[in-house]
Amino acid sequence: ILNVEQSPQSLHVQEGDSTNFTCSFPSSNFYALHWYRWETAKSPEALFVMTLNGDEKKKGRISATLNTKEGYSYLYIKGSQPEDSATYLCARDNYGQNFVFGPGTRLSVLP
Amino acid sequence: NAGVTQTPKFRVLKTGQSMTLLCAQDMNHEYMYWYRQDPGMGLRLIHYSVGEGTTAKGEVPDGYNVSRLKKQNFLLGLESAAPSQTSVYFCASSYSVGGADTQYFGPGTRLTVL
Repeated sequence: ILNVEQSPQSLHVQEGDSTNFTCSFPSSNFYALHWYRWETAKSPEALFVMTLNGDEKKKGRISATLNTKEGYSYLYIKGSQPEDSATYLCARDNYGQNFVFGPGTRLSVLP
Repeated sequence: NAGVTQTPKFRVLKTGQSMTLLCAQDMNHEYMYWYRQDPGMGLRLIHYSVGEGTTAKGEVPDGYNVSRLKKQNFLLGLESAAPSQTSVYFCASSYSVGGADTQYFGPGTRLTVL
């Protein structure tokens, strides 16, 4: 099992603050990295799929970067809103056989 | 499209009882997966299937069996439930191997074993 780590485990920010979290993964034989957003009592929803070193993806106020050589990805949220409160998961894609998920970062945005 | 659906949504079992969780997808996906989610542990893969009639073990397969008799359905069975199997179970599906395909998740089944 190739461990995927995420930090911090949880954080609280004020509405309007920008924030970021980290996903770390083994860099050898890298294929793809997925980011998911998981709201309480719902199922995880895909945010980004990233494959190339240096990739940067953006969806509204949320963006992500990828460094496959050193094995990390950052997720950024600009101007956090209460509706951004969720757990953000990353998953290392082992060439379609299965994903290895990190434990997630739980974000709470306080109004 | 309904996407990925799971039945039941909630279930309480006594130790030693058996049950089957049903996952269905209407997206014609080849791959299907069963995960369990426990506090602080993220999603852990139990079993997965790369196509109709095939199954494979994931990270935590012990105590579970699966079957994929039809492409659209993936069943997860607990033959003799134990309290350690109290968890939230998520099913997912994806189109194919390779291509960095997204996995689409069902709404989850909350299982409590007393």
